[in-house]
Amino acid sequence: GDSVTQMEGPVTLSEEAFLTINCTYTATGYPSLFWYVQYPGEGLQLLLKATKADDKGSNKGFEATYRKETTSFHLEKGSVQVSDSAVYFCALSDRKDSNYQLIWGAGTKLIIKP
Amino acid sequence: DAGVTQSPTHLIKTRGQQVTLRCSPKSGHDTVSWYQQALGQGPQFIFQYYEEEERQRGNFPDRFSGHQFPNYSSELNVNALLLGDSALYLCASSSLVSPRSDSPLHFGNGTRLTVT
Repeated sequence: GDSVTQMEGPVTLSEEAFLTINCTYTATGYPSLFWYVQYPGEGLQLLLKATKADDKGSNKGFEATYRKETTSFHLEKGSVQVSDSAVYFCALSDRKDSNYQLIWGAGTKLIIKP
Repeated sequence: DAGVTQSPTHLIKTRGQQVTLRCSPKSGHDTVSWYQQALGQGPQFIFQYYEEEERQRGNFPDRFSGHQFPNYSSELNVNALLLGDSALYLCASSSLVSPRSDSPLHFGNGTRLTVT
């Protein structure tokens, strides 16, 4: 079945460092791909998305490119801030008529030190 | 514009008890999905409600049931609680009418259930 694999955390970086969080997926169809972020004590927020191959999603300085050839959707940011500390989830949706049943990775905790 | 609201925020129950969690969707949304998120894990899909009916269900036992009301709000009920039911329960709303690419899931802050 469909699955999402993320790099294990926690990932600890210094402020202004470059960030990459790896995400790869397995899907039988043509999924849409998402990154969600969960700040401490809060629910999940959509960070960015891409719906077809070679699409680049971007938001708040974060970017991720849908790579069909490598089945990847790695999250990147050029210069992280302390406020980026959170848990990041990669997810896919493989249903063309709805987006309610997402398949999730286990999450990667990001810790940014000043 | 109110987002997704869930109540209560925290709950402590004893094994064998029953619990009801509540969710109000984002304004304009007609579909509610429930997820269970164990500590350190990604969310697991429980079920989804639309037009007051359960449309899809994940791999959860019948102890987990739900309901959607005419105003689109929803309840999640869990009977005969087990220690393993301790988790963060997330409600997410969306609109089946809107195009898929414009209608991502909007999540509430969750209800933290602890079973002792």
